[in-house]
Amino acid sequence: KAGVTQTPRYLIKTRGQQVTLSCSPISGHRSVSWYQQTPGQGLQFLFEYFSETQRNKGNFPGRFSGRQFSNSRSEMNVSTLELGDSALYLCASSLQGYGYGYTFGSGTRLTVV
Amino acid sequence: LAKTTQPISMDSYEGQEVNITCSHNNIATNDYITWYQQFPSQGPRFIIQGYKTKVTNEVASLFIPADRKSSTLSLPRVSLSDTAVYYCLVGEAGSGNTGKLIFGQGTTLQVKP
Repeated sequence: KAGVTQTPRYLIKTRGQQVTLSCSPISGHRSVSWYQQTPGQGLQFLFEYFSETQRNKGNFPGRFSGRQFSNSRSEMNVSTLELGDSALYLCASSLQGYGYGYTFGSGTRLTVV
Repeated sequence: LAKTTQPISMDSYEGQEVNITCSHNNIATNDYITWYQQFPSQGPRFIIQGYKTKVTNEVASLFIPADRKSSTLSLPRVSLSDTAVYYCLVGEAGSGNTGKLIFGQGTTLQVKP
């Protein structure tokens, strides 16, 4: 079966711009969660969506937002980009959002210049 | 969610068995122990999960002593392609904390020829 698909794979943006990242979960998975990975902070949880509703949120500023569509595809948006937002953004899908069975995508590498 | 401690790095040679130990002194009764593997610029990949004693799959074995305060991931006969970061996670996201996996610093395993 197809895995978790994230697009684009690479992105270069200028400070102050905004960016939208996309995640298509495994078919049938209704939970999509997003993570930011940087060398300094490691993997950090951003938020989780289930059936188009945000159910859980990490400790990130309001510039980071997301949404989920009726087909479970999810988008993440970062507004007013800062240099420190440069990171690998990963999404993970699962059936319910708890238990085991999280499948991660390959991520979007965002570089802010 | 219980905090985990694991070695920052380990070196091994092809064909050897590698054991990575993770400490989780504050593990709760309902917590499971899960290991993920991550290659550079890819998302983490689920390896194995267990609750107590021993679990084995086609990739690895997981040993958990009776007190469950530690666990050991065993990789038999490693190859160069096993060079990756290995994360030990304790306490899968429950229904009240959906989508959130707590990743520590992980163990960077370097397999040499």
